[in-house]
Amino acid sequence: QSVLSQPPSVSGTPGQRVTISCSGSSSNIAGNTVNWYQQLPGTAPKLLIYSDNLRPSGAPDRFSGSKSGTSASLAISGLQSDDEADYYCASWDDSLIGYVFGAGTKVTVL
Amino acid sequence: EVQLVESGGNLVRWGGSLRLSCAASGFTFSNAWMSWVRQTPGKGLEWVGRIKSKMDGGTIDYAAPVKGRFTISRDDSKETLFLHMTGLKVEDTAVYYCTAKDIGYWGQGTLVTVSS
Repeated sequence: QSVLSQPPSVSGTPGQRVTISCSGSSSNIAGNTVNWYQQLPGTAPKLLIYSDNLRPSGAPDRFSGSKSGTSASLAISGLQSDDEADYYCASWDDSLIGYVFGAGTKVTVL
Repeated sequence: EVQLVESGGNLVRWGGSLRLSCAASGFTFSNAWMSWVRQTPGKGLEWVGRIKSKMDGGTIDYAAPVKGRFTISRDDSKETLFLHMTGLKVEDTAVYYCTAKDIGYWGQGTLVTVSS
């Protein structure tokens, strides 16, 4: 049972825009920044978005992050077949005194 | 380029011990807050613990499931992070990742399997 809630899966056709939600609480998302990770099969998670909406060097600008209150979202515009992966959100939790993760969302390109 | 290379993963019996290492390069290790994160097919990603830089107090925090059994340490002179695991349980079976800078950078992971 993950502290942050994500939908198990989302799908879209090439070129479409999809969003992944991440729901938390006042002890994590509302008071701390959110990171998003992309995990391709057999590889380690890779940082996609940090500090709610910033992209690290090398992350495509098709990926964007936003946050409002206790929820955050990752949007993928111009969906590509290469985007098929698992996506995770994470945030620091002040009550648990540790990072908490979502269970991950599998993105499928139809 | 930031590089984190874990080693030490192995098959170990229930109740046993294991030490993981993480060799870091490409950034100022002594200034970095470092974390261990593990991943299992059943439970997904789980933060294990974090050690702050010495300049920020060197505080270490642990997740509840590992507190009292796992110890995180660092050797800044060798730019290496460690995870010493004792009293291992079957549920500790996972790929263990070394991460740096607010879990922004990740290593490739090392597999720990605990048998009953």
